[in-house]
Amino acid sequence: HSALTQPASVSGSPGQSITISCTGTSSYVGGYNYVSWYQQHPGKAPKLMIYDVSNRPSGVSNRFSGSKSGNTASLTISGLQAEDEADYYCSSYTSSSTWVFGGGTKLTVL
Amino acid sequence: QVQLVESGGGVVQPGRSLRLSCAASGFTFSSSGMHWVRQAPGKGLEWVAVISYDENIKSYADSGKGRFTISRDNSKNTLYLQMNSLRAEDTAVYYCAKDAGWLRLGDYFDYWGQGTLVTVSS
Repeated sequence: HSALTQPASVSGSPGQSITISCTGTSSYVGGYNYVSWYQQHPGKAPKLMIYDVSNRPSGVSNRFSGSKSGNTASLTISGLQAEDEADYYCSSYTSSSTWVFGGGTKLTVL
Repeated sequence: QVQLVESGGGVVQPGRSLRLSCAASGFTFSSSGMHWVRQAPGKGLEWVAVISYDENIKSYADSGKGRFTISRDNSKNTLYLQMNSLRAEDTAVYYCAKDAGWLRLGDYFDYWGQGTLVTVSS
């Protein structure tokens, strides 16, 4: 049972857009703009894709975007490409210097 | 470029101890907080512990409180995780991750190592 709730899987065809949700509580996600998103390909280390809800690190494609509404954050990938197929995790700083992750979402590009 | 290289993983019996290391390069290690994050086989990511740049802040997930100790040696650019009283459920790949903050803890992890596998089994 993860503190943040994500769908187990999502899928889309090349060129389409998909959105992955991440639901928390008002204690985290809702109360702070401290949500980040990570991409993980099989057997590889996670990679930062979005930080502070909607900011993209240098080098990350602008096809990736983040947003938040209430206690739910979202990651949207537009113009799906085969290389986007991976697991995606959201994370939030909670308080007292602790962090939580979502259970992860497997993205399949059909 | 930032590099984080974990070591120290292996097979260990339940109840025994293990110390993981993470050698850092490519950034000012002594100014950055550091984390350990683990991933059980086929499972999701789980945050384990954090240490501030000056060791004044150390925080742990409930799963490791009282058993795990995070530390660092800024003179050696190395992060450690001492794990005692290991259990089967501690079996995971352990990643070290750089905190995004500068001279304070940030709220996300901007670089990750490749991980080291710890297997707790008799």
